[in-house]
Amino acid sequence: GAVVSQHPSWVICKSGTSVKIECRSLDFQATTMFWYRQFPKQSLMLMATSNEGSKATYEQGVEKDKFLINHASLTLSTLTVTSAHPEDSSFYICSARGGLADTQYFGPGTRLTVL
Amino acid sequence: KNQVEQSPQSLIILEGKNCTLQCNYTVSPFSNLRWYKQDTGRGPVSLTIMTFSENTKSNGRYTATLDADTKQSSLHITASQLSDSASYICVVRSNSGYSTLTFGKGTMLLVSP
Repeated sequence: GAVVSQHPSWVICKSGTSVKIECRSLDFQATTMFWYRQFPKQSLMLMATSNEGSKATYEQGVEKDKFLINHASLTLSTLTVTSAHPEDSSFYICSARGGLADTQYFGPGTRLTVL
Repeated sequence: KNQVEQSPQSLIILEGKNCTLQCNYTVSPFSNLRWYKQDTGRGPVSLTIMTFSENTKSNGRYTATLDADTKQSSLHITASQLSDSASYICVVRSNSGYSTLTFGKGTMLLVSP
């Protein structure tokens, strides 16, 4: 099946620093990529949707200047958490849609801990 | 408003026993429904996908059912194993002009030895 990878799988950073998370579709071209955030014992919450070459569409309540999304190619999207704070600590999951069945595949997630 | 409700919220069963998880949705227009398994600290992995015309689908020890009239789905796990301990998430895709996913909050299953 289609594979979506994320890097890094976990990251610890100091408050105030920026962190970049990569999401790659390994064996298909993703027309659309999604970024989700998941807090403990909660469901996935959609943060933003991005199409290759265009600006991301952010969900209500998600600060676009804080969570920068770049979808530079059909196989790569990045999420940069700028000036991270402890409340940004969460599990970030990307998802890519594409392939023959236009199915949405999820990445393994990135655990972000901000000290 | 599109919603997906799952029950129970959590469940503990003994290894080897069967269990059934429920999912009710109000997503419209309906495109498909997927059950995902999410291990702690991992991304969701698809178990089954159900379209409008499908009533039941199996994937090994997992069997999903769909009643499109009552907008209900279930996931039945037979002969549970310790590795089945995970969160099971019901996700419904709408077939609006821009397809969107609506996530349930998941059922946390713990299989005890």
